[in-house]
Amino acid sequence: SAVISQKPSRDICQRGTSLTIQCQVDSQVTMMFWYRQQPGQSLTLIATANQGSEATYESGFVIDKFPISRPNLTFSTLTVSNMSPEDSSIYLCSVAEALLANYGYTFGSGTRLTVV
Amino acid sequence: AQSVTQLDSHVSVSEGTPVLLRCNYSSSYSPSLFWYVQHPNKGLQLLLKYTSAATLVKGINGFEAEFKKSETSFHLTKPSAHMSDAAEYFCVVSDRGDYKLSFGAGTTVTVRA
Repeated sequence: SAVISQKPSRDICQRGTSLTIQCQVDSQVTMMFWYRQQPGQSLTLIATANQGSEATYESGFVIDKFPISRPNLTFSTLTVSNMSPEDSSIYLCSVAEALLANYGYTFGSGTRLTVV
Repeated sequence: AQSVTQLDSHVSVSEGTPVLLRCNYSSSYSPSLFWYVQHPNKGLQLLLKYTSAATLVKGINGFEAEFKKSETSFHLTKPSAHMSDAAEYFCVVSDRGDYKLSFGAGTTVTVRA
């Protein structure tokens, strides 16, 4: 299965600034996703990162706040823009791969973001 | 649309006793179902997955789950809890139509010595 390198692993940022999170995969994958895990909560899908086109955002998430790039099939970035303390969360990327007749999912180790 | 309901937010068991974590799902298509575990300050680890093969799925660390379509359930069990099983457990569903994952709210498992 794919191996994902996500960075940074953690950061403390000032409110009003932006942070870009990188996700590098060791193989070409079509489907890549970004999730948010707020403190003590479950994971919520932010968007599907589409290679060569604009990301597809879930309800409650907008491109201006969470711009996503997907320049090729092995790399994606998520930017958290104009941060506020409410953005303090763990952000994870994930990929879906075809495995024989089914699909498997791999997650990055996450970026723990604290906004002060 | 797909969704998952984990029926217990917290489960406490004694070491050596059985563990049962309950999960109900809804899905418009033939679903894939997963159980993930997250230890404190650690990443997500896949315990097991159901993808339309055998309805009884065996996973890592002695965990297993049974897919029951008539009950739309995918409960996770382990016959004998270990202290290392203390963690957060997530039931997850994916409609094979779009491959997006929907996570349940999670069940916190504590294991008493």
